[in-house]
Amino acid sequence: DAMVIQNPRYQVTQFGKPVTLSCSQTLNHNVMYWYQQKSSQAPKLLFHYYDKDFNNEADTPDNFQSRRPNTSFCFLDIRSPGLGDAAMYLCATSSSGDSYNEQFFGPGTRLTVL
Amino acid sequence: AQSVTQLGSHVSVSEGALVLLRCNYSSSVPPYLFWYVQYPNQGLQLLLKYTSAATLVKGINGFEAEFKKSETSFHLTKPSAHMSDAAEYFCAVRIYSGAGSYQLTFGKGTKLSVIP
Repeated sequence: DAMVIQNPRYQVTQFGKPVTLSCSQTLNHNVMYWYQQKSSQAPKLLFHYYDKDFNNEADTPDNFQSRRPNTSFCFLDIRSPGLGDAAMYLCATSSSGDSYNEQFFGPGTRLTVL
Repeated sequence: AQSVTQLGSHVSVSEGALVLLRCNYSSSVPPYLFWYVQYPNQGLQLLLKYTSAATLVKGINGFEAEFKKSETSFHLTKPSAHMSDAAEYFCAVRIYSGAGSYQLTFGKGTKLSVIP
């Protein structure tokens, strides 16, 4: 089945220690998104890739970076995690050919910062 | 600017009772609207979407939603709640973010509890 895969599902890191979350997809979608979701809140878009073009949300902290080496993979790098970065991180994909912009979500990575 | 508002952060219903989760939208153009469900420690799963083809939209797991332009609403309903429906539900609207890109803007979510 075509899907969005996120690894790891649970990640524990120490305050200030860089961490990388990964997302892969078998849907061959050209748009990929990273969301941050804190407890009992709506997902908040951090950035997205439209093909290779990177689009950063205005209020996304510089501490968050992303890489997309190819269509299938996208990475979220947190350079110096703080306690406030503990959250669920969701990856999603969509096709620009889909006029409805239906987004397909992965299961998420729950990040704990000690 | 397009947005959605979900009324009620927490809704409790008895098993077998009607489920009604409310969503109102604000949009100057015909909106594309979505309902997603999120189970604990899971990603979001699409329940249904409104794309202007029909005002009554049927989704998965017995859910449906009716688009009412006069009320700017897109409420989610299910005739009979099951224990497995306990989850968080998000209403979302598609917005144009420029350069051919679209985004989803989500409501704050409604947590549904089902009482045995």
